[in-house]
Amino acid sequence: EVQLVESGGGLVQPGGSLRLSCVASEFTFSDYWMHWVRQAPGKGLVWVSRINSDGSNTSYADSVKGRFTISRDNAKNTLYLQMNSLRADDTAIYYCARDDLPGDAGNWFGPWGRGSQVTVSS
Amino acid sequence: DIVMTQSPDSLAVSLGERATINCKSSQSVFYSSNYGNYLAWYQQKPGQPPKLLIYWASSRKSGVPTRFSGSGSGADFTLTISSLQAEDVAIYYCQQYYTTPLTFGQGTKVEIK
Repeated sequence: EVQLVESGGGLVQPGGSLRLSCVASEFTFSDYWMHWVRQAPGKGLVWVSRINSDGSNTSYADSVKGRFTISRDNAKNTLYLQMNSLRADDTAIYYCARDDLPGDAGNWFGPWGRGSQVTVSS
Repeated sequence: DIVMTQSPDSLAVSLGERATINCKSSQSVFYSSNYGNYLAWYQQKPGQPPKLLIYWASSRKSGVPTRFSGSGSGADFTLTISSLQAEDVAIYYCQQYYTTPLTFGQGTKVEIK
């Protein structure tokens, strides 16, 4: 069964940094585009960033552009999200999600991890 | 950015009755070169991550009950639950994957009447 397991969340002060990780298993990680999606408490889903299968192409939501960096290590089957200059409105559960289908073009979200809580507060 | 707007925000339906959720995009998500509507639907139950139900606006994901169906084209889409079951209580989201930023509707909460 496909598994995505996020880690690295926690409580951080405004202006601080965190790095989230998402370890993938039971599929060929290097074949798939990957995403980060977040959900603030009691709110809806917001796409944050995506990366193509070899890591050469990335996209970001405007709200995180210049502050967050997505990356991947295909040898370690791991997706990352480096989050800098964190603000209170970055507080959310951060989900790692995989494209449903492998290939060279993004598509809809298939499997999701259970999420990692990030809280930005002084 | 493509804005996705769902209606209603919430609905209460009796067990066994039909539930209908609408989703409008601020521009068409139909790509003529492959006749594809770049629209997906997800179900999220409390404390769980979202689960894919429908992609290409009307293709049901393997394993999803047949009571879930998607329809529509261009900028107007519908998710229908033909006979609501207790386990369908959840929030449902539409999402466009036509272009970045990928965007979701605000969600529709489905409850039992």
